[in-house]
Amino acid sequence: EVQLVESGGGLVQPGGSLRLSCAASGFSIDDHAIHWVRQSPEMGLEWVAEITWSLSRINFADSVKGRFTVSRDYVQNSLHLQLSSLRPEDTALYYCARDMSQEGLGVLDFWGQGIKVTVSS
Amino acid sequence: EIVLTQSPGTLSLSPGETATLSCRASHRITNTYLAWYQQKLGQPPRLLIYGASSRAAGTPRRFSGSASGTDFTLTIRGLEPEDFAVYFCQQYGGSPPHIFGQGTKLEIK
Repeated sequence: EVQLVESGGGLVQPGGSLRLSCAASGFSIDDHAIHWVRQSPEMGLEWVAEITWSLSRINFADSVKGRFTVSRDYVQNSLHLQLSSLRPEDTALYYCARDMSQEGLGVLDFWGQGIKVTVSS
Repeated sequence: EIVLTQSPGTLSLSPGETATLSCRASHRITNTYLAWYQQKLGQPPRLLIYGASSRAAGTPRRFSGSASGTDFTLTIRGLEPEDFAVYFCQQYGGSPPHIFGQGTKLEIK
């Protein structure tokens, strides 16, 4: 069974950092691109990042470029989204989602339950 | 960057009726790379349709998608109680970002 489980969210002050994790099971993240999507009442659903390991390709939305980075845990079949220089507008529910394709076309066929990030002083 | 405009914002219908949801793109979308997702309260989005008209695994046949130029439609025939939810369209493919529409809420009349 395909599953994605996010962890690591919480409350952080503006300018702070947080590391989100996405643990995948039921498939290898070598075989599918993985995306991060966030959702807030203000912005709705917003695509944040895509990671395609097979192509060594990582892309970020302009709104987070230079502040968010991605890394991989080769042992745990999981990946991490490092959030830095956080702003109040980064407050959202963050989902990791599996792409149907290895190449990262952008069709998201499985989603995690999401993890809440709140940026506030 | 493409903008996706969904209409109506809210659609009130009764079970058994047919729902017609619209998603209009500001520019032509390559290869009809348009997907539809359903989201229920407290749950993540669920993929329903991709390629404008291909049903994802597990999507009931009462859900269908179509495209005409920059206009995309999700039709749900014979609404079931579990179909009342929020629906999002999404442009994908090519270079990111992968844009989502603002959503249509389908509520019970």
